[in-house]
Amino acid sequence: DAKTTQPPSMDCAEGRAANLPCNHSTISGNEYVYWYRQIHSQGPQYIIHGLKNNETNEMASLIITEDRKSSTLILPHATLRDTAVYYCIVRVGSGAGSYQLTFGKGTKLSVIP
Amino acid sequence: GAGVSQSPSNKVTEKGKDVELRCDPISGHTALYWYRQSLGQGLEFLIYFQGNSAPDKSGLPSDRFSAERTGGSVSTLTIQRTQQEDSAVYLCASSLGLVGGNIQYFGAGTRLSVL
Repeated sequence: DAKTTQPPSMDCAEGRAANLPCNHSTISGNEYVYWYRQIHSQGPQYIIHGLKNNETNEMASLIITEDRKSSTLILPHATLRDTAVYYCIVRVGSGAGSYQLTFGKGTKLSVIP
Repeated sequence: GAGVSQSPSNKVTEKGKDVELRCDPISGHTALYWYRQSLGQGLEFLIYFQGNSAPDKSGLPSDRFSAERTGGSVSTLTIQRTQQEDSAVYLCASSLGLVGGNIQYFGAGTRLSVL
């Protein structure tokens, strides 16, 4: 898997957009960008993934730069329940290299009232 | 069920005892994974099941660890002669398989404490 770099922590005011960056300069052409989060004492939760186009779902938006070397996860209106560690992962989307998830240290997002 | 279900949610055992952890995956998911997460650490892959294929056991840390998946659904992770270093949260995940992005959905985990 390509290595990712994330800031260790970020704060965000409740109701504002949270923008979480991730650098993945060694990403390969067949590797996707995935985001998971882990709220304290809970299992990891899938958020979103993408290959090269921007993606949006009910939880978040994923913006991937044109050269694919970095991406940003956007939580449009952060709430206190979004306080968690957010993990950016880069790996192939299918086949034998796709089943072992490896989390780095992630970004601890604190949403502040 | 709607999500991955794991039981028990917490397990306290004495060193040397055997424990069984259960995972009930999302209905229709053919792939099932076990991970371990020690306090403040990342995910450690343990084992992967895909349909009727032989499981990938490459992540099991010792021969005290074993897992089975009966009928392609429920899975049990067994730890024999538990040691204090086995204390961790054991997470189970399931997915539709190695296609379509292979999105893994996790259960809440079993917190194992070996005294």
